[in-house]
Amino acid sequence: GQQLNQSPQSMFIQEGEDVSMNCTSSSIFNTWLWYKQDPGEGPVLLIALYKAGELTSNGRLTAQFGITRKDSFLNISASIPSDVGIYFCAGHQNPGYALNFGKGTSLLVTP
Amino acid sequence: EADIYQTPRYLVIGTGKKITLECSQTMGHDKMYWYQQDPGMELHLIHYSYGVNSTEKGDLSSESTVSRIRTEHFPLTLESARPSHTSQYLCASSDLAGETQYFGPGTRLLVL
Repeated sequence: GQQLNQSPQSMFIQEGEDVSMNCTSSSIFNTWLWYKQDPGEGPVLLIALYKAGELTSNGRLTAQFGITRKDSFLNISASIPSDVGIYFCAGHQNPGYALNFGKGTSLLVTP
Repeated sequence: EADIYQTPRYLVIGTGKKITLECSQTMGHDKMYWYQQDPGMELHLIHYSYGVNSTEKGDLSSESTVSRIRTEHFPLTLESARPSHTSQYLCASSDLAGETQYFGPGTRLLVL
């Protein structure tokens, strides 16, 4: 599968701070997805992006599908302790094909 | 919210045992997938299915096998478990368009 580069690998922030993470690919993707995974659980879909340039929000989360179709970012505003977890970007070049995953960004939030 | 279920959630077994990990979804999705994930690592696709009687191997080689006899059910079987099979196994499904995949809670397998 296509390798996705996700950064940063980990973040350690204080409650209330904003967070930004991004994902890049060497190939054009048609779909970008952002998931959050808690320890011992399956990934939960946060935001799905289907069109280049698309900017979508889900509460305090905002994600964008890059214009070049080779990148995406996720922002979390005013972080809270329950934001702790691993955030994965994922995407695919053709719908229905298996997703390519980034290696994840581990987020720790201190009160 | 996705309706995809996996059992068991946790499994500890001895080497050489045969095991089946269950996955079922009630969304009527045609496409289903199995991923393997080691702790803190990315997900790797090991099997997928586009519908009944369709199964394909994924990017990561696996000694497991799958079957798809019913749309809603996609079990994964290990004929003879080994310690190297210790991992978390995640099942996912998507509709025919396949743009978004929904994951089950996972099965954490420990082979002693």
